[in-house]
Amino acid sequence: KAGVTQTPRYLIKTRGQQVTLSCSPISGHRSVSWYQQTPGQGLQFLFEYFSETQRNKGNFPGRFSGRQFSNSRSEMNVSTLELGDSALYLCASSLIVGVTTGELFFGEGSRLTVL
Amino acid sequence: GESVGLHLPTLSVQEGDNSIINCAYSNSASDYFIWYKQESGKGPQFIIDIRSNMDKRQGQRVTVLLNKTVKHLSLQIAATQPGDSAVYFCAENYGGSQGNLIFGKGTKLSVKP
Repeated sequence: KAGVTQTPRYLIKTRGQQVTLSCSPISGHRSVSWYQQTPGQGLQFLFEYFSETQRNKGNFPGRFSGRQFSNSRSEMNVSTLELGDSALYLCASSLIVGVTTGELFFGEGSRLTVL
Repeated sequence: GESVGLHLPTLSVQEGDNSIINCAYSNSASDYFIWYKQESGKGPQFIIDIRSNMDKRQGQRVTVLLNKTVKHLSLQIAATQPGDSAVYFCAENYGGSQGNLIFGKGTKLSVKP
């Protein structure tokens, strides 16, 4: 069974640009969530999607957005990039919404560098 | 990921020894706790979890202890192996929402052969 697939793995952008990251969950998983990981702040929750609906959102500005498609694949977008957006962006999938078990299956992440 | 923390606490152990990784959590209302392992270049991987109505749970070579009085969580790894080298995160949650899933900063475990 294939794991969570994130693309691209690495990308470099400049301030003011926008970026779109993609995540394909494990087959059969309908919940997809996104996390930002930085050395300073650690892992922080961005948002969670289930059945194409955003179910939960973390404390990030509106420049961060996402969506989920009918096949459960998800994308997140960051507009007007800032230097502080440099991070590893992780996608996680699970069978159900929320955290009733800890079994979130994470992808390997998309490493974004903003210059 | 490639670099999950510039100044992570580091625990260095000899192969075959037992490891104990500690974590202090912040919210006394948290009712669910999880340990994750993150190897270099990979995303976090679920290890073991425990609910607040328990104080100990055992898995394969791992044990999690929960002390709610002092809001402390620990992960014990028996007979540590080189493949255990990674960053270990605890996470706390209340209410079952991912928005309330708070990760600790992590501890880097280094296993010496």
